[in-house]
Amino acid sequence: SQQGEEDPQALSIQEGENATMNCSYKTSINNLQWYRQNSGRGLVHLILIRSNEREKHSGRLRVTLDTSKKSSSLLITASRAADTASYFCATNQGGSEKLVFGKGTKLTVNP
Amino acid sequence: DTGVSQDPRHKITKRGQNVTFRCDPISEHNRLYWYRQTLGQGPEFLTYFQNEAQLEKSRLLSDRFSAERPKGSFSTLEIQRTEQGDSAMYLCASSGGWTGYSNQPQHFGDGTRLSIL
Repeated sequence: SQQGEEDPQALSIQEGENATMNCSYKTSINNLQWYRQNSGRGLVHLILIRSNEREKHSGRLRVTLDTSKKSSSLLITASRAADTASYFCATNQGGSEKLVFGKGTKLTVNP
Repeated sequence: DTGVSQDPRHKITKRGQNVTFRCDPISEHNRLYWYRQTLGQGPEFLTYFQNEAQLEKSRLLSDRFSAERPKGSFSTLEIQRTEQGDSAMYLCASSGGWTGYSNQPQHFGDGTRLSIL
């Protein structure tokens, strides 16, 4: 069963705009990770935020985590056509090494 | 870093046949994972190895599925007596290098797409 729910399921924006994707999860976590997947390819790790962190930045990416609301958001600033992809949040729980993924947000950035 | 390599990229087979996929992880990684992904969904965990030991298996991994990592390097995933519902992308990932440092980012291969006729 899948842990996370991303919102929205699909997002279409113009190049240069910011894109915000949200993720909610159900159980307590060790950390939350965001991945990107281009069509027909594997997933690429973007950023990991631990349960005791609230915000993390990496280049044009900003991730927040609110453990009281069991939610996270991924912000991509100044989007580019190359950012077009599906974005997934994934969590590690308990003593498990497995990742539990949501269904993803499909982002389209129009040139 | 040559990345995670999976072979084949595509496999088309008839229902009832056996198939085997191979995954070569990043060489210094001691952890290896298999996931299955169907259209429009996120990946679902199948199994996980630390070195050659299979430490975790999902209930999704029925009796028809078996995974091995005999020397702690490459891994194989075999599906016996394939069914229509096995059609999916099978993804392999690896992580680690430091035993005991848990929950590290996972590096994925491009997957094997299985189609059952």
